[in-house]
Amino acid sequence: DAKTTQPPSMDCAEGRAANLPCNHSTISGNEYVYWYRQIHSQGPQYIIHGLKNNETNEMASLIITEDRKSSTLILPHATLRDTAVYYCIVRLWSGNTGKLIFGQGTTLQVKP
Amino acid sequence: KAGVTQTPRYLIKTRGQQVTLSCSPISGHRSVSWYQQTPGQGLQFLFEYFSETQRNKGNFPGRFSGRQFSNSRSEMNVSTLELGDSALYLCASRGGDRTDTQYFGPGTRLTVL
Repeated sequence: DAKTTQPPSMDCAEGRAANLPCNHSTISGNEYVYWYRQIHSQGPQYIIHGLKNNETNEMASLIITEDRKSSTLILPHATLRDTAVYYCIVRLWSGNTGKLIFGQGTTLQVKP
Repeated sequence: KAGVTQTPRYLIKTRGQQVTLSCSPISGHRSVSWYQQTPGQGLQFLFEYFSETQRNKGNFPGRFSGRQFSNSRSEMNVSTLELGDSALYLCASRGGDRTDTQYFGPGTRLTVL
């Protein structure tokens, strides 16, 4: 099972880009990288996912290295509401299940 | 589309009691997964149901069980509650295809006294 490593915490100034790194050096070829975030005691919110190519949506961009061993989630203009725990997850397959394995995540603090 | 809904949102029980939590998935989603979140263990997978069948189960004792109905709604049950069962219980739904993304509900906060 591919595992992920994230820094436990990061700070970012409001209005600046937040770059959250994730290491997943044991990822296999058919495993996707997913990012979720959880604002205090709410359910995790899906942000973005990717397999090989960089991805962008209205919330964020996902940059995956060519060897797929690491990725970076980019919040282009962080706001105070982006303060949350961010989880990088490699999607585990067991039969036809989409079980997610959450690590400890990165606590992002956006400061005014 | 309405999101994943969970009821009740808050629950207080005493040790030894049992509890049933409910989850309504996003319309059209056929898979429902349950997770437990505690400060000490973080987010842990409990089980997943698809078309009324349990597909996968996490490493939890048999006191934790679940089921899914024909309309994809799901319930999870915890019997003989222990203090350590106090947690946020999260439900997530997805379409059922391998590449489908899971969307989480707001959770049920269970406190066991």
